[in-house]
This record gives sequence, structure tokens and C-alpha cells, in this order.
Amino acid sequence: QSALTQPASVSGSPGQSITISCTGTSSDVGGYNYVSWYQQHPGKVPKVMIYDVSNRPSGVSNRFSGSKSGNTASLTISGLQAEDEADYYCSSYASSTTYVFGTGTKVTVL
Amino acid sequence: QLQLQESGPGLVKPSETLSLTCTVSGGSISSSSYYWGWIRQPPGKGLEYIGRIYYSGSSYYNPSLKSRVTISVDTSKNQFSLKLTSVTAADTAVYYCASLRRGWFDPWGQGTLVTVSS
Repeated sequence: QSALTQPASVSGSPGQSITISCTGTSSDVGGYNYVSWYQQHPGKVPKVMIYDVSNRPSGVSNRFSGSKSGNTASLTISGLQAEDEADYYCSSYASSTTYVFGTGTKVTVL
Repeated sequence: QLQLQESGPGLVKPSETLSLTCTVSGGSISSSSYYWGWIRQPPGKGLEYIGRIYYSGSSYYNPSLKSRVTISVDTSKNQFSLKLTSVTAADTAVYYCASLRRGWFDPWGQGTLVTVSS
């Protein structure tokens, strides 16, 4: 099972919106609605930001939203803030009853 | 509130077996709502799913690690464990345990760094 493909880096200015893509196959992202997104600050534990493609856990800012089209899922951060600077990983359930993570995207707030 | 904590040796010799335990508090490992999983992250690299287990003992592994991984559960101690055999330097990573609800991992343990070196 290969890692899901994410851009290595995405940047934006405060207040702007950015979108991170997560591309897989019909055996993972495209085949199931079990896509989740994680934020990880340096040296910290990953934190779930989105689950089941587009659902936000309690306590996560509504500036974070998720969607999916075909084999590609996306995480959008609107109203970008300095605290959003972190690494972001997508994850998907995959056939063969496994899970797969994305390659990770470093978000920089300019 | 569910909390998880990893424990185990921080240094393992090449070719030996890495063994870690995750202790669950604030809830029962026998809950039907969760699987219990292991994820690792080599220094400076991305996350890799290792496997998961249900309280009944049913386990599922990453195909790329399946030949070397065993995950077990001890409901009496509210713990689950990871064993990874024949380790090499490539297995050096921060190892996280996490609860898995349907499709997402939450919460995670604090993580423990395991270094493979002689």
C-alpha cells in the first residue's frame, strides 16, 4: 500500500485560504469515506482536524474544512493564522483492511 | 477522558525484537467503540500505520510490516502491546499508540522514541 500523495509544502499569508490535496486510488481515498486529517506541530503529537472526509471534531476551528472528489481529498484552511503553521497529514482506510497516511505537507504562514 | 501512554525500551539492538506497551486510562480497552492502533514516525519523516487490534484479539497489520509485527491485547490490564522482530536502523522512530474510531485516530499517546543501534 503506497503512501497517499500530498504536496511537500503550501504557504499563504495571514487571512488567506489554502488547500492541501491528498491523492490516492480507488482502493483507498476513492473507495471509502474514511479520510481524516491531522495537524502536527514540531515535536508534538498529531491532532485530528477532520474525520470521515468532512467532519470536524469538537473544539476544532471551523476555519478547517474537508472534502473529497474521486480519488483526491482536500483540506482547506480559511483565514490562515500563524498558529496554523505545522505539518498536515491525511489518512485513509484502504482495502486489505489497512490504513495509509499521506506523505505530509508543511504549511508556512508568510 | 481517554488517555494512552506508551512504555518500553528506548534502545534496541539490530536483529532483536522491539517491544512496546500502551496503557489505556479513562476508559475500557474492551469498549466496542474502538480499535487500538500503533503508528510510527521516523525522525524528520512522515507517519506510517503499523496495525490495530480489537479487544477480542482480532488484529490487522500493514502489509509491508506484517511478517515482523504482532499486536496483542491484555484486557485485564487495559493494555495492548506491539512486537516488531528483526529490527534494523530503519525501524528507528517515534512510536505512537492511538485509539481508532471507525476511521480516525484519536486520541494519541505522547509517543516514545525507539532507537535501533548496537
